[in-house]
Amino acid sequence: EAGVAQSPRYKIIEKRQSVAFWCNPISGHATLYWYQQILGQGPKLLIQFQNNGVVDDSQLPKDRFSAERLKGVDSTLKIQPAKLEDSAVYLCASSASFIASSDTQYFGPGTRLTVL
Amino acid sequence: QKEVEQDPGPLSVPEGAIVSLNCTYSNSAFQYFMWYRQYSRKGPELLMYTYSSGNKEDGRFTAQVDKSSKYISLFIRDSQPSDSATYLCAMSAGNAGGTSYGKLTFGQGTILTVHP
Repeated sequence: EAGVAQSPRYKIIEKRQSVAFWCNPISGHATLYWYQQILGQGPKLLIQFQNNGVVDDSQLPKDRFSAERLKGVDSTLKIQPAKLEDSAVYLCASSASFIASSDTQYFGPGTRLTVL
Repeated sequence: QKEVEQDPGPLSVPEGAIVSLNCTYSNSAFQYFMWYRQYSRKGPELLMYTYSSGNKEDGRFTAQVDKSSKYISLFIRDSQPSDSATYLCAMSAGNAGGTSYGKLTFGQGTILTVHP
């Protein structure tokens, strides 16, 4: 079974530029998550999708971050414009459903973003 | 105060040692408790999952949850160099208080190094 795929793996941009990350979850997984992991910290949930609908985006900085999950499969996370404090690893995860907290979340390898 | 505090800081132990990792939390609604392992440049992977209070054992790993003290632990017996990684505790309230199922709150992680 293929895991969660993310691209690119690394990205370096100047502040005020835009950037987009892509995630392909495990086939058949209904729930998709985007996390931000700043160096030395644990992942922080940015947004959670159930199929193509948003379940939780309470911690997403909506003035600069946006995310979509068209057709309930792939997802993109965009930052526009980027700030220095956005430097982090952006992790995508997926789980089979969202009705049980016991559902395992499978993480991708992440995209490491450096904002200069 | 952070919702989840993880202790100790970077840990270096000899091969074969018993390792103890701990987290405390402040949100009494948490009822699902997990430990994730994250190797360098990789996404977290689920190691142990526990619901409510009690102990759970899986090979060399034992997870303990004490909800009355808001304290969870992970013990690693006979530690191996391959156990060298960052260990993250994570917690979920399920659907309590209107939060979404699957929303995980992570500790900041403990970097473990097991040297031969």
